[in-house]
Amino acid sequence: DSGVTQTPKHLITATGQRVTLRCSPRSGDLSVYWYQQSLDQGLQFLIQYYNGEERAKGNILERFSAQQFPDLHSELNLSSLELGDSALYFCASSSSPLGQTGLNTEAFFGQGTRLTVV
Amino acid sequence: AQSVTQLGSHVSVSEGALVLLRCNYSSSVPPYLFWYVQYPNQGLQLLLKYTSAATLVKGINGFEAEFKKSETSFHLTKPSAHMSDAAEYFCAVSGADSSYKLIFGSGTRLLVRP
Repeated sequence: DSGVTQTPKHLITATGQRVTLRCSPRSGDLSVYWYQQSLDQGLQFLIQYYNGEERAKGNILERFSAQQFPDLHSELNLSSLELGDSALYFCASSSSPLGQTGLNTEAFFGQGTRLTVV
Repeated sequence: AQSVTQLGSHVSVSEGALVLLRCNYSSSVPPYLFWYVQYPNQGLQLLLKYTSAATLVKGINGFEAEFKKSETSFHLTKPSAHMSDAAEYFCAVSGADSSYKLIFGSGTRLLVRP
């Protein structure tokens, strides 16, 4: 158990709909990362938050948004869903930004939310 | 920008044989490098990490990796494969070049033959 909790584990929804994925980081971790894993794109970085503020953005679609709340949990909102959005969405957390000089940190991943758009 | 290349989308070995999964990185700053493993229908689990200390890094389950700056490589090895090692393995890089997020390679699926 990594200590990162993602809900729900599975989600099936129709095209055009909107869903919210939730992530609770490990206790004390300030950084949260969202990744999308699909067969054709592999593991793609979406967005990172650090202590409530957006820190880095990847190839995140405009239809997608995220936020990190004061209690440090994070939500990823996906709207106007398309068939191609079907994927496994992972959340990861770390105590501080990865690779920062002098900090020996690592990212812990949740079990993911499998989104199926039909 | 930082990037990672994993050579071979599939690697097949016999049980008891040497496992070698290749990873090359690109980075203009000293990188932090990671190997993660993903078992079917599970999340990613950290195997080992390089953070500029010892160049030979030992991880869990008997895996190790060696950082070679001259070759920009961070290959993952295990002396003797076990059936339970069958999984997908991801190499990742992080650092100032990537705003401290993890950049993943495309993954290598390890198959272990009895």
